[in-house]
Amino acid sequence: GAGVSQTPSNKVTEKGKYVELRCDPISGHTALYWYRQSLGQGPEFLIYFQGTGAADDSGLPNDRFFAVRPEGSVSTLKIQRTERGDSAVYLCASSAKQGLNTEAFFGQGTRLTVV
Amino acid sequence: QKEVEQDPGPLSVPEGAIVSLNCTYSNSAFQYFMWYRQYSRKGPELLMYTYSSGNKEDGRFTAQVDKSSKYISLFIRDSQPSDSATYLCAMAGGYNKLIFGAGTRLAVHP
Repeated sequence: GAGVSQTPSNKVTEKGKYVELRCDPISGHTALYWYRQSLGQGPEFLIYFQGTGAADDSGLPNDRFFAVRPEGSVSTLKIQRTERGDSAVYLCASSAKQGLNTEAFFGQGTRLTVV
Repeated sequence: QKEVEQDPGPLSVPEGAIVSLNCTYSNSAFQYFMWYRQYSRKGPELLMYTYSSGNKEDGRFTAQVDKSSKYISLFIRDSQPSDSATYLCAMAGGYNKLIFGAGTRLAVHP
């Protein structure tokens, strides 16, 4: 596709449930990032993949959050036992360059609401 | 104290005005400075990128970085209603972790 695609665009789930958020990066981009944006705030870094491996997962808030990128393309962010505080827009970005994220292209995000 | 501080606004200006947006930061390791524009319910899009100190101009947009003061600015000349959006500053220290400001909401009215 022409840009980063994220699905679903909106997700409403009940507290305690498990959710998966999907990101399709721009074709050929080896670097992929997940960010979380709460209302009125800037995006907050969660995790960075270079290829299939997580090069930096220091932004994941706790062990309920996990992300994979098994074939170096599509990535899935998984959240277990969701809490109301997890409600936010989850943004995915990809870039072609390794080592610099100066040209990261963002998707439209998945708006997660935990009720 | 946050690593990156940005006034959330909102900032309301008439069409044609010059807009000045600013961020301050505390981490002297930051070397890469970006400005992103984010329309409502959309992902951020990169507007300007600057490495280290100095100025960069692109059309109606000028980005300035003053590393000695830990202060960056974005100027928009001849502002248009289509410039109405949230502007996010972002910084990186050479690794793949952008640190964003909270964003400034800008409204340009005809």
